[in-house]
Amino acid sequence: QKEVEQDPGPLSVPEGAIVSLNCTYSNSAFQYFMWYRQYSRKGPELLMYTYSSGNKEDGRFTAQVDKSSKYISLFIRDSQPSDSATYLCAMSDAGGFKTIFGAGTRLFVKA
Amino acid sequence: SQTIHQWPATLVQPVGSPLSLECTVEGTSNPNLYWYRQAAGRGLQLLFYSVGIGQISSEVPQNLSASRPQDRQFILSSKKLLLSDSGFYLCAWKPNTGNTEAFFGQGTRLTVV
Repeated sequence: QKEVEQDPGPLSVPEGAIVSLNCTYSNSAFQYFMWYRQYSRKGPELLMYTYSSGNKEDGRFTAQVDKSSKYISLFIRDSQPSDSATYLCAMSDAGGFKTIFGAGTRLFVKA
Repeated sequence: SQTIHQWPATLVQPVGSPLSLECTVEGTSNPNLYWYRQAAGRGLQLLFYSVGIGQISSEVPQNLSASRPQDRQFILSSKKLLLSDSGFYLCAWKPNTGNTEAFFGQGTRLTVV
């Protein structure tokens, strides 16, 4: 079993839709949870960074962590064509030295 | 501000040829350095990490190796490339002061033919 599971998609939505991206994980030691966005042929860049369970909002993006279910989500409101990218979830334990990534979900937002 | 440079951006190499990918970080000291490989649908696989000069830890047994000859320089190498080495290679760094985000280079797309 992989430590982090993420549906690779692709996920195609119309402009303005609410997008929900999810990951599950098996290692209960994970404490820090991140979402990265990666455009084609580019390196990933950090979108959201959360510690432990709860919600965090930043503009159109909301990250949710449910440690009891080992489940994290990223919501994108009012999605735009510029949001079309691959979204990778990532997590690390308290030491934070090694970060484990999901497979990434390819998102297409159609104008 | 800190920046990370990775080169080349693309590379096509024949099977059996050597490989050397270089990554340098500017604007920080004693960073933790990482090499990842990204294959389609499989996410980022951690290959090597380093906490200091000459200190390399390997995550995945393979015909690749890494070296850190200077504090902010990280090199990924192979003596003889295999077809299966094709992929998108990413260098990343993190501060060594606690749990923070990883900063990625722009990646090298390697095609072994």
